[in-house]
Amino acid sequence: DAEITQSPRHKITETGRQVTLACHQTWNHNNMFWYRQDLGHGLRLIHYSYGVQDTNKGEVSDGYSVSRSNTEDLPLTLESAASSQTSVYFCASSRLAGNEQFFGPGTRLTVL
Amino acid sequence: AQSVTQPDIHITVSEGASLELRCNYSYGATPYLFWYVQSPGQGLQLLLKYFSGDTLVQGIKGFEAEFKRSQSSFNLRKPSVHWSDAAEYFCAVGAERTASKLTFGTGTRLQVTL
Repeated sequence: DAEITQSPRHKITETGRQVTLACHQTWNHNNMFWYRQDLGHGLRLIHYSYGVQDTNKGEVSDGYSVSRSNTEDLPLTLESAASSQTSVYFCASSRLAGNEQFFGPGTRLTVL
Repeated sequence: AQSVTQPDIHITVSEGASLELRCNYSYGATPYLFWYVQSPGQGLQLLLKYFSGDTLVQGIKGFEAEFKRSQSSFNLRKPSVHWSDAAEYFCAVGAERTASKLTFGTGTRLQVTL
C-alpha cells in the first residue's frame, strides 16, 4: 500500500546543530508540505512544494529550508536549531489542487 | 488570506450524546473546506471535505458537516458519539485557486465520558 513515512519519529538535539527530518511518500503525489504543530496554534505551514525543483515558503519558514530533488522526498532542514523549534513536525502530500492531504505520523523534535 | 476559527478549545460529551464542533472561516470567494481528526500520537486523517454542490456532506465514522455561506461556517456533527471518537479535530480551509495549501484552525479537543 502507498504511504507517507517520516524519520526519525523522535529526535533530541542541541541548540545550534543542523537537523534534517526526512519525509518519503510512495503515492507519486506532486504536492508535499511540512507543518509544525504547537499547543494553541494548531498546524502551521513551514514550506511546501508543487513538484520537483519547486519549493515555497509558508507562514513560519524562518530557520527552515527544504529541497525537492525527486517526487518522493521532501527533507526539512533546520540550519541551526533553536529551542523555539521544539515541536511536532508533520509531513503531508496531495495529488492535485483541492485534493485530500495525506499526513505522515509526525516527528517529535526537542531542542535543548 | 484565508483564516479559520475554532472557538471551542475543549469539549466534553457523554457517550451516546450528539456532537457539534464549530468552525468559522474567512475567505472572500468559494472556499474548499476540510475536517481532519487526530488521535493521540497519530497523524491527521480526513473526515470529510466540501468543494461545491450539496452543502451537507457526509464523511467517515458517521460524521457530517454543513456548509453555510451566509454564516461562513462549516460545523461538524455526529448524532451519537462513541468513546473512540475522543480525539482532536481540526477544520481547514483552502483557497479555490490554490486549494493545495491549507490553513488550519487551532483544533478542538473532544473528550467522551462513559
